[in-house]
Order: sequence, then structure tokens, then C-alpha cells
Amino acid sequence: QQQVKQSPQSLIVQKGGISIINCAYENTAFDYFPWYQQFPGKGPALLIAIRPDVSEKKEGRFTISFNKSAKQFSLHIMDSQPGDSATYFCAASKGDYKLSFGAGTTVTVRA
Amino acid sequence: DTAVSQTPKYLVTQMGNDKSIKCEQNLGHDTMYWYKQDSKKFLKIMFSYNNKELIINETVPNRFSPKSPDKAHLNLHINSLELGDSAVYFCASSQERIAGETGELFFGEGSRLTVL
Repeated sequence: QQQVKQSPQSLIVQKGGISIINCAYENTAFDYFPWYQQFPGKGPALLIAIRPDVSEKKEGRFTISFNKSAKQFSLHIMDSQPGDSATYFCAASKGDYKLSFGAGTTVTVRA
Repeated sequence: DTAVSQTPKYLVTQMGNDKSIKCEQNLGHDTMYWYKQDSKKFLKIMFSYNNKELIINETVPNRFSPKSPDKAHLNLHINSLELGDSAVYFCASSQERIAGETGELFFGEGSRLTVL
């Protein structure tokens, strides 16, 4: 049973556009929400993360928005670049050793 | 110098065979993991070891047996391989629990297993 639901499965955006990926969870015990980025042939790598006491976190062109009451969070990629083409995974943890991943979103940025 | 390294990168084998994947991390982390990524890219945890002790075993068939000889190494042995075992297996490590800035997972580059 997937504990974190992620959408869309894939998206195509023009260079300079905004990519938006959404995630939802049910378990209110989750208290840490990272996003991982994976390039083809590589392992996932941490991109940005947020805790539920913060509604937004920005690092460069990447922003996480968090809505605790709706149990939803999203990743916005501003000014998308071809180098951002990758698979993005949202994830959630209860602060233990287990990280539950969403199904992933493949982002393609067209030049 | 690679932080989390796993070998081999590719394995192609017949059904019924046994295979092993090795993983080493030089980050000084106490916790190591095996994740399975299927053809749809879904990532699922299989096992986790903390200081050589098994702490997570996610209802994986007992044909899969992890072994941690020391906290820098975590190997995965798979017996009697089946077609459904075809996937990319990722080793990962973390400094502490996955909760905040010290909880980042560091992944290896994966081992692609193909069972024919």
C-alpha cells in the first residue's frame, strides 16, 4: 500500500516554464518530507526537504509548498532548464529509519 | 571517491540461479539500506541495518538474505532467482534516522538485475 501518492506520472514543460508536482499523504505521524531527484542510470539524490511546521521552503529555483491541514505538499521548479529533466520523488518519514516514496514523476524540459 | 559504491552494476542471469550484490559506504554512516526499483521506477525499501543489526525487513521473500559484516558494508544475496526479481537494486546509507538535516539518504548508482 502506497503511503504517499504522487502526481502526475510525467510532465513535459518548455524551457523557462514552471513544473509542478503534487503529493498527498494520510499518515499524520509523518513529520519529514524530502524530495529526491534521479537522473537516468544514477541513484536518487536529495533535492530539498521540509518539515510540517513550515509552509514553504525555497532553494534556488526549487520550492516546496506544504499544506498540513490538507496533508498535501508540492514541488515547484521555476524557470525549468533542460538539465532539470529527471525523475522526481516525493517522500515521507515518521522520523525513524523508513522513507516511503511516491511513485515518481518524470519531468522532461524541452529546449 | 565514491560515497556509496555497489557492485556489480549489471547482472544478467537465468531463473533459478543465485546472485550477490555488494555495497560499501565510506561516509562513516551507521545505517545502510537496500531498496528495489521496479520497471515503473517505484522505490521500495527492502532491508535496513543499523550498526550491523537488522532493523527493517519489509516482507521480502526469504530468498533474499542481507548480510552486514561491518557497518560500512551491506551485501544482498538472492537465491533461486525468479523473473519478478528483475529490477534495479539500490544500496543507500544515512547518518542517523531519516528526520531532518542529518537524515539524508545517500544512494549508490544501482545494480540492474535481469533474470531470463
